[in-house]
Amino acid sequence: GENVEQHPSTLSVQEGDSAVIKCTYSDSASNYFPWYKQELGKRPQLIIDIRSNVGEKKDQRIAVTLNKTAKHFSLHITETQPEDSAVYFCALFGFQKLVFGTGTRLLVSP
Amino acid sequence: EAQVTQNPRYLITVTGKKLTVTCSQNMNHEYMSWYRQDPGLGLRQIYYSMNVEVTDKGDVPEGYKVSRKEKRNFPLILESPSPNQTSLYFCASSDRGPNEKLFFGSGTQLSVL
Repeated sequence: GENVEQHPSTLSVQEGDSAVIKCTYSDSASNYFPWYKQELGKRPQLIIDIRSNVGEKKDQRIAVTLNKTAKHFSLHITETQPEDSAVYFCALFGFQKLVFGTGTRLLVSP
Repeated sequence: EAQVTQNPRYLITVTGKKLTVTCSQNMNHEYMSWYRQDPGLGLRQIYYSMNVEVTDKGDVPEGYKVSRKEKRNFPLILESPSPNQTSLYFCASSDRGPNEKLFFGSGTQLSVL
């Protein structure tokens, strides 16, 4: 089945810095790439998603970019704030299934 | 309020004692799924259902059963729990399929002693 690799596993930044999380995959037929945020003790929640016919999507301070040729997609968070601290999961839809990455723990220090 | 309701939130049990984790959604979603979350492994799919009476295995189905007799409910059954099933479980639903926004339940922390 499809596999998605997510890096880094942990990321520490200072408030106001940018954070980038990258996921790579192998199935060229994958066509849906969501990102979920999970705050400590809470459920995962969708924060942004992108489909394969689009190269970039933005929503305020977060953006997702997709490079289909290189088979990777990334989450970009600008002007990070302490409330951005959470675990972020990438996912992709391939082989008729949604597969999640292993997660990135983001810590934003004031 | 649109939501996915999971019960219980916490469960401690012993090896071999059958248990059921309930999941219910009030959004008339067709797609429902169960995941387990373990440190360093992310979210792994156990079973999913595309509609009533239609269920299929995910990536880690061994030791689990599900049923989808009604559209709103998708219970997860552990017939004979073992310690390696100690995990955080999430139920999720979406309107039509896994390539749409998933709405997650609040999770069930299961410990099998």
